[in-house]
Amino acid sequence: ETGVTQSPTHLIKTRGQQVTLRCSSQSGHNTVSWYQQALGQGPQFIFQYYREEENGRGNFPPRFSGLQFPNYSSELNVNALELDDSALYLCASSLVASGGTGELFFGEGSRLTVL
Amino acid sequence: GENVEQHPSTLSVQEGDSAVIKCTYSDSASNYFPWYKQELGKRPQLIIDIRSNVGEKKDQRIAVTLNKTAKHFSLHITETQPEDSAVYFCAAGGADGLTFGKGTHLIIQP
Repeated sequence: ETGVTQSPTHLIKTRGQQVTLRCSSQSGHNTVSWYQQALGQGPQFIFQYYREEENGRGNFPPRFSGLQFPNYSSELNVNALELDDSALYLCASSLVASGGTGELFFGEGSRLTVL
Repeated sequence: GENVEQHPSTLSVQEGDSAVIKCTYSDSASNYFPWYKQELGKRPQLIIDIRSNVGEKKDQRIAVTLNKTAKHFSLHITETQPEDSAVYFCAAGGADGLTFGKGTHLIIQP
């Protein structure tokens, strides 16, 4: 059983550019969520996908968007990058019943630096 | 939306003593309250969770209590050991996502 994997592990972008981060969920999991973790802070909820549909979103602007694919892999897209977008982006997958909750299994994260 | 406050931000205890971390939440619809441990440079990992239909849950040296009326929940670690040193995050939410607290850096003094 493979765990949650994310790519790339590190990347540097300049302000105004766009970035795509990728996540491969743990085998058998049907839900994926994305979090932004600034240095020394807790993970901030961006959004969540259940069976390819977004079913929850945190307080992030529309330039943060995502997709979940039929194989339950996922990507996070951020347009018009700002300096404050510099952070660790964590993907987490879980296996839940409709309307349910469950343990999140996190990936190692993608460290984004915006210059 | 949900708002989670966590205290203290840093907690230093002697090895063998107990540690208590407290969280409050704002949304009465939240029904799931997990706690995650994050060691330096590593991913967060679940250590214990509790649901809104339960008031207390224990797993060896770790316990969590939930007071739905007051909207607060706490993590208790007894007989602390050096490997308990880490950052601990509480979270609250439900099927549409989790809101995390800002974390507590637990330091175990030898």
